[in-house]
Amino acid sequence: KAGVTQTPRYLIKTRGQQVTLSCSPISGHRSVSWYQQTPGQGLQFLFEYFSETQRNKGNFPGRFSGRQFSNSRSEMNVSTLELGDSALYLCASSLAAGWAKNIQYFGAGTRLSVL
Amino acid sequence: AQTVTQSQPEMSVQEAETVTLSCTYDTSESDYYLFWYKQPPSRQMILVIRQEAYKQQNATENRFSVNFQKAAKSFSLKISDSQLGDAAMYFCALIQNTGGFKTIFGAGTRLFVKA
Repeated sequence: KAGVTQTPRYLIKTRGQQVTLSCSPISGHRSVSWYQQTPGQGLQFLFEYFSETQRNKGNFPGRFSGRQFSNSRSEMNVSTLELGDSALYLCASSLAAGWAKNIQYFGAGTRLSVL
Repeated sequence: AQTVTQSQPEMSVQEAETVTLSCTYDTSESDYYLFWYKQPPSRQMILVIRQEAYKQQNATENRFSVNFQKAAKSFSLKISDSQLGDAAMYFCALIQNTGGFKTIFGAGTRLFVKA
């Protein structure tokens, strides 16, 4: 079974631009979560989607948004990029069949550099 | 607010020896899970072990075991018979039942394994 796939692996953008990152969860997984990882702030939760609905959201500005499609694939969008948005963005998927089935499997991440 | 604290930025262990990584957390919820994740240089996060808060018995996965002290809100990871492949960043994480997944990660501990 294929793992969590994130595309692209690397991305270079300039300030003010917008970017869209993609995440394909493990087949059958319905929950997708997004995290931002930086050396200074560590791993921070962005949001979680389940059945195309956002269930939880972290403390990030509205420039960060996401969505989930009917096939559980998810996209994350960052508008008006700032230098501080440079980070590794990780996606994780889970069966979410119930509270006990909450093991998250992570993708390799997308490294975003904002110049 | 829930927090996860890893007070050891770096740890070092001799191959075949045992090492313990510390983690403390704070939450007002009674229903939660605790995890240890490993992130090797390849940066893909891998689940090492998890502990259900309602279970008193400490979780064990081969060479990895935890010491879960619920009253003290402590969740340490013990790695026995350390191997070179154990060298990685280790993250302690807390996930609560908020109607969805919202994982809070600690800052991480970088583990070095000496041959």
